[in-house]
Amino acid sequence: KQEVTQIPAALSVPEGENLVLNCSFTDSAIYNLQWFRQDPGKGLTSLLLIQSSQREQTSGRLNASLDKSSGRSTLYIAASQPGDSATYLCAPGGDSGGGADGLTFGKGTHLIIQP
Amino acid sequence: SQTIHQWPATLVQPVGSPLSLECTVEGTSNPNLYWYRQAAGRGLQLLFYSVGIGQISSEVPQNLSASRPQDRQFILSSKKLLLSDSGFYLCAWNLGPNTGELFFGEGSRLTVL
Repeated sequence: KQEVTQIPAALSVPEGENLVLNCSFTDSAIYNLQWFRQDPGKGLTSLLLIQSSQREQTSGRLNASLDKSSGRSTLYIAASQPGDSATYLCAPGGDSGGGADGLTFGKGTHLIIQP
Repeated sequence: SQTIHQWPATLVQPVGSPLSLECTVEGTSNPNLYWYRQAAGRGLQLLFYSVGIGQISSEVPQNLSASRPQDRQFILSSKKLLLSDSGFYLCAWNLGPNTGELFFGEGSRLTVL
């Protein structure tokens, strides 16, 4: 069964800093990995989807990398802004995950960007 | 473009009462549909998924049930709510397993008193 760990669990930094959020997973036989953002009391917003054949994906100030063999992914946030404050979740997808989508979710990193 | 709607957004129900949460997807056909629950301090737990009309798979034994009466409609139900059913319920969809990006609705907050 896939297990996902996200480190750190919480992070508070001043505005403008570059950040790295870490995600590790136990079963490297994944098809893809997705990063989500969740604002308080809201649903999850998809940020980036990396297929297993890819090494990284970029969207604006966000860059996600995937090292499937070592079971790791990182989300890099450049020039952080107060609007980036949210909980960030990673979810690798594969046969050892649950359901038709095979995604297993980490508990997330709660990020606060201080103005 | 595709959109997903969930309602109601907030619900307060007494123990033993019935439940119906509804989710609809627009702008796509034959999506895979999912119900997740997010309890305070815990990760997302997959409850049910459906790959087609009338096809429901349950991931965990529980007091809830799901139905898919139409291609883009997914309903979460209970005949008698328990205190432990309280939580944040999220509906999601994608176009295929293993490669399809997963999209979530805004969620329904259920409090059972």
